[in-house]
Amino acid sequence: GENVEQHPSTLSVQEGDSAVIKCTYSDSASNYFPWYKQELGKRPQLIIDIRSNVGEKKDQRIAVTLNKTAKHFSLHITETQPEDSAVYFCAASNGNDMRFGAGTRLTVKP
Amino acid sequence: SQTIHQWPATLVQPVGSPLSLECTVEGTSNPNLYWYRQAAGRGLQLLFYSVGIGQISSEVPQNLSASRPQDRQFILSSKKLLLSDSGFYLCAWSVPPGGYGYTFGSGTRLTVV
Repeated sequence: GENVEQHPSTLSVQEGDSAVIKCTYSDSASNYFPWYKQELGKRPQLIIDIRSNVGEKKDQRIAVTLNKTAKHFSLHITETQPEDSAVYFCAASNGNDMRFGAGTRLTVKP
Repeated sequence: SQTIHQWPATLVQPVGSPLSLECTVEGTSNPNLYWYRQAAGRGLQLLFYSVGIGQISSEVPQNLSASRPQDRQFILSSKKLLLSDSGFYLCAWSVPPGGYGYTFGSGTRLTVV
């Protein structure tokens, strides 16, 4: 089955700096790669996603890149703000189920 | 628009007691449905997924079971809870095929005492 590895497990940045979270996956049939943000005690919320026919996607301060050959995908957050502090999960789906990375706890220091 | 309902929000149960968590989806037909568990400070573990009524795929051996008696209803059950069953349980749905756009329910925080 699919195995998704996510790094780092914790990340602390200064407000205004950029944050990068990286994931790798093992199932070459995976074709959909979403990113979720989870605030304490709440459900994960989809923040951005990318499909396998696209290499990069951007939405304001958030961007995701995908390298299908290397089976890598990354989340980039620019100009970080304290409200970006949360746990971020990457995921990979082959169309039937979705496997999540272990999560990255991002702390943005004001 | 589609919505997903999950209840109860919190639950405290003694060891050995039964469990039933329910999830329903509105505004869509034939969704893929999922149960995930999240231990404190940990990632999301897929427990079960269903692509149709009566069709359940189990990911890990455990004392939990799932059922899908209706198209938009997904139930997570246990006959006898263990301490290790404590966690945050999340139901999710997606539109097949492709599994795109997972939406999670608000979750049930289960504490087994």
